[in-house]
Amino acid sequence: DIVMTQSPDSLAVSLGERATINCKSSQSVLYSPNNKDYLGWYQQKPGQPPKLLIYWASTRASGVPERFSGSGSGTDFTLTISSLQAEDVAVYYCQEYLTTRLTFGGGTKVEIK
Amino acid sequence: QLQLQESGPGLVKPSETLSLTCTVSGASVSSGPYFWGWIRQPPGKGLEWIGTISYTGTTYYSPSLKSRLTISLDTSKNQFSLNLRSVIAADTAVYYCGGHEEDNGYPRWFDPWGQGTLVTVSS
Repeated sequence: DIVMTQSPDSLAVSLGERATINCKSSQSVLYSPNNKDYLGWYQQKPGQPPKLLIYWASTRASGVPERFSGSGSGTDFTLTISSLQAEDVAVYYCQEYLTTRLTFGGGTKVEIK
Repeated sequence: QLQLQESGPGLVKPSETLSLTCTVSGASVSSGPYFWGWIRQPPGKGLEWIGTISYTGTTYYSPSLKSRLTISLDTSKNQFSLNLRSVIAADTAVYYCGGHEEDNGYPRWFDPWGQGTLVTVSS
């Protein structure tokens, strides 16, 4: 099974500053025949269900603000919030979907400094 | 607009069966392009995928839960359901249902999610 490891577990960022979250997979989630990375990112605010932010590692879901961006390929991925807003306080999860195990990372909590 | 809503008992006794239903609106559970899945989140912890069913009834289960798990479709009610047998305290969690994007016949990311329902396993 693929293991998804996120870092850091938590981070505190000042309003307007950049937040960077890392996700590492134990094996590549890049599918060579179509050159796509089978990796998604979710945001979960307190008391709410998760919400899809990014799929195919870098494609923003409908309605997601441009300050959210996904990058990386193979085994190393990054979710970047370019200018942190108060409403971005949440836990962020990555998920692989290359396999039918659909494994989530452990989550990264983002707070305001 | 696709929407999902979980329903079922909030309290289940140890060794009994946890049964939840997800009611779907905005799409048919028996036609593409969506697959249907369950995810759970123990209090204060992260997300765990439980299992998924395709619109044709093909199931994909978490290996750690497979021996106790059944996911099925009820096309007459446009619902899908989860049955987890022989529950223990560690099965206490918020249970979410979600719609999967399908890609080349396989489940991919979850969007949207239901609001979730807390199920407590306790005597």
